[in-house]
Amino acid sequence: KQEVTQIPAALSVPEGENLVLNCSFTDSAIYNLQWFRQDPGKGLTSLLLIQSSQREQTSGRLNASLDKSSGRSTLYIAASQPGDSATYLCAVLGGSEKLVFGKGTKLTVNP
Amino acid sequence: EAQVTQNPRYLITVTGKKLTVTCSQNMNHEYMSWYRQDPGLGLRQIYYSMNVEVTDKGDVPEGYKVSRKEKRNFPLILESPSPNQTSLYFCASSPRQYNSPLHFGNGTRLTVT
Repeated sequence: KQEVTQIPAALSVPEGENLVLNCSFTDSAIYNLQWFRQDPGKGLTSLLLIQSSQREQTSGRLNASLDKSSGRSTLYIAASQPGDSATYLCAVLGGSEKLVFGKGTKLTVNP
Repeated sequence: EAQVTQNPRYLITVTGKKLTVTCSQNMNHEYMSWYRQDPGLGLRQIYYSMNVEVTDKGDVPEGYKVSRKEKRNFPLILESPSPNQTSLYFCASSPRQYNSPLHFGNGTRLTVT
């Protein structure tokens, strides 16, 4: 059964810092991996989707990488801003066709 | 505006009283799915649907039913709610399952007493 782990559970950084969020998964037979952002009281917003054949995706200050063989993905946020404060979740679509989420990393960017 | 709409946003009910949470999308998406979010457990998939009349169980389907009679609607039915179904529920959709990002609704907070 696929398990997705995100470390750390919470992270607090000063504004302007570059940071990396980590996601690991146990079964490398995946179709894709998505990174989401969740603001308090809101639904999830998709940030980046990486297909199993891809190594990375970029959108603005965000860059996500995927290493299927090691079961890892990272989300890199450049020049962090207070508006980046949110919970970031990764989710893996595996061979079972079920979407499995990590428990998220709560990010706080301090002005 | 392209969106996934869930109703109601908040619902308080009693054990055993059947309820339906509606989900509708206006983007002509084929794939729709339901999740529940609980503290310490994260988001877990309840059911998903790859297209009209096609539904499949996620990781936690017990106590829930779904139907997909039309492309735009994917209601979640709790025939006999119990307190352990108290949770925050999300509906999501995407053009396809395998290569498209998910669009989420704003959630339904359900309390079963």
